[in-house]
Amino acid sequence: NAGVTQTPKFQVLKTGQSMTLQCAQDMNHNSMYWYRQDPGMGLRLIYYSASEGTTDKGEVPNGYNVSRLNKREFSLRLESAAPSQTSVYFCASSGGLAGTSTDTQYFGPGTRLTVL
Amino acid sequence: LAKTTQPISMDSYEGQEVNITCSHNNIATNDYITWYQQFPSQGPRFIIQGYKTKVTNEVASLFIPADRKSSTLSLPRVSLSDTAVYYCLVGFSLMGGYNKLIFGAGTRLAVHP
Repeated sequence: NAGVTQTPKFQVLKTGQSMTLQCAQDMNHNSMYWYRQDPGMGLRLIYYSASEGTTDKGEVPNGYNVSRLNKREFSLRLESAAPSQTSVYFCASSGGLAGTSTDTQYFGPGTRLTVL
Repeated sequence: LAKTTQPISMDSYEGQEVNITCSHNNIATNDYITWYQQFPSQGPRFIIQGYKTKVTNEVASLFIPADRKSSTLSLPRVSLSDTAVYYCLVGFSLMGGYNKLIFGAGTRLAVHP
């Protein structure tokens, strides 16, 4: 099992460019999450998905869109990147109830994004 | 305002017990408290989870008082490989009953020889 995989590992964008971060899990989990982590700070939830076809906003959703393509894949899109979106982005999945801390989340290795 | 509070950093020595406390005054009634460990350039990794009283597994213990407004992660006999950032994760009840997951800012633990 690969667990949670993320692509790309690194990306540099110019202000105004768009891109999609990809995430896939092979653990047959229902719930998937996108977080951002700024230097020296904790993780902040951007969006999550309780099941295929459903998504909900987290703490910091502005400037992002998400798509739960199927049970395995959950993508995060930046339509017009801004320097404030420079961060490390983590995808996670869990087998339990999304939106609560009841179950264990499994994290991917992260995508390091720099917006110039 | 929903918020968790942890010490920013802690220092310890190999073989000592380390206790890290997280304050979470507005935790949701049905939510658990979960602790994660993060090494540089990696995603967080689950350590332990609990609802109340005490939980113990092979790597740590978690103490939660009756009012559930705080929790304490206890790492027995730490080694150099325990040097990492530790996060507590709880859910909070917001207006309208909508829960949002809130990670603490993390505690940087440095274990010295």
